[in-house]
Amino acid sequence: ELKVEQNPLFLSMQEEKNYTIYCNYSTTSDRLYWYRQDPGKSLESLFVLLSNGAVKQEGRLMASLDTKARLSTLHITAAVHDLSATYFCAGKHNNDMRFGAGTRLTVKP
Amino acid sequence: EAGVVQSPRYKIIEKKQPVAFWCNPISGHNTLYWYLQNLGQGPELLIRYENEEAVDDSQLPKDRFSAERLKGVDSTLKIQPAELGDSAVYLCASGRTGLGEQFFGPGTRLTVL
Repeated sequence: ELKVEQNPLFLSMQEEKNYTIYCNYSTTSDRLYWYRQDPGKSLESLFVLLSNGAVKQEGRLMASLDTKARLSTLHITAAVHDLSATYFCAGKHNNDMRFGAGTRLTVKP
Repeated sequence: EAGVVQSPRYKIIEKKQPVAFWCNPISGHNTLYWYLQNLGQGPELLIRYENEEAVDDSQLPKDRFSAERLKGVDSTLKIQPAELGDSAVYLCASGRTGLGEQFFGPGTRLTVL
């Protein structure tokens, strides 16, 4: 059974600082997903990582995948308040999709 | 392109009452998922459909939960009878086979009193 672990679970950042969220998974994952969820809202797809070494960037967010280490990272560059949300990673193995517990990010001025 | 539509958005019921949720996926998406999300946790899959076939319902508590997807489009998820522990957000998502990416609806927040 695929297990997905994120850390940290809570992250309080100052604006303009950089930080990384880590996502470890237990078995082979066909692909890795990152989602954003604002309070009371649904999940918004950020990135889909398909292969080892994949890197995708959108604005201040950059996601990468290391399938050998079974690790994905979401790097935040020069954080701004608008990035405050909960970020989930999810792995997929044989059509079974499993989510991490989420990282609640708060960006403070 | 319209997103995944769910209704109702909020539902408050007393325990032992029945409740039903409805989901309309994105047009052209053949896969449909129902998830349960507890506060502070990630979504947990309840059931996955490929067209009208439930291909993974291993996590669905079948003693009280049921789902259907007639004609391979809209889907309903039912709980009967509801228990206090069923209070959560029920999310519906849709996608296309093979691509894996899922698009989520706004969810239904269920409160069981």
